[in-house]
Amino acid sequence: EVQLVQSGAEVKKPGESLKISCKASGYSFTTYWIGWVRQMPGKGLEWMGIIYPSDSDTRYSPSFQGQVTISADRSISTAFLQWSSLKASDTAMYYCARRIATAGGYYFDYWGQGTLVTVPS
Amino acid sequence: QSVLTQPPSVSGAPGQRVTISCTGSSSNIGAGYDVHWYQQLPGTAPKLLIYGNSNRPSGVPGRFSGSKSGTSVSLAITGLQAEDEADYYCQSYDSSLSDYVFGSGTKVTVL
Repeated sequence: EVQLVQSGAEVKKPGESLKISCKASGYSFTTYWIGWVRQMPGKGLEWMGIIYPSDSDTRYSPSFQGQVTISADRSISTAFLQWSSLKASDTAMYYCARRIATAGGYYFDYWGQGTLVTVPS
Repeated sequence: QSVLTQPPSVSGAPGQRVTISCTGSSSNIGAGYDVHWYQQLPGTAPKLLIYGNSNRPSGVPGRFSGSKSGTSVSLAITGLQAEDEADYYCQSYDSSLSDYVFGSGTKVTVL
């Protein structure tokens, strides 16, 4: 059974760093791209970036380029999303999701349960 | 502002049929990229509902269906049930943005 299990909720202060994780199981971790999606309180879904764990090839949405860093550790089948200096506007739920590629495009078939990041202003 | 536009809300009585539209542009839906749909129940993660415009993953009830005709895309729920009350998002790929783009989301309310 494919599972993506994310790390627990975090409460951080502005300016602090943070690294959240997404552990994959039930499939070959290096075979599929893993994406990260942000959902701000009461808002919709925004794609942040994606990584191919086999070679750590990473792509970022222009909206998030330079704001976050995506990485992966093949030895523990885990993808990461990190911030070097958090802002109050980073308060959101963050989801990881496995990407499927087809001739017609791409979609996300399995999702993590989400990690709530709270940065009080 | 989302690249794909959906109505903010739709509602229907139990047993009725509701549809949700998803409108894009020439660099995403109009360019021929497939559209996919996700259901997000309150307080939970999104779940894949429809992929490749009209395909249901295993376990998704048959009352959910997707269609695409040209640049017109929609999700239909036939025989609406109370458990269908959720937010629904369409998603595609945009070649000019090189982005995976989501719709603005539609809240379905069962009256």
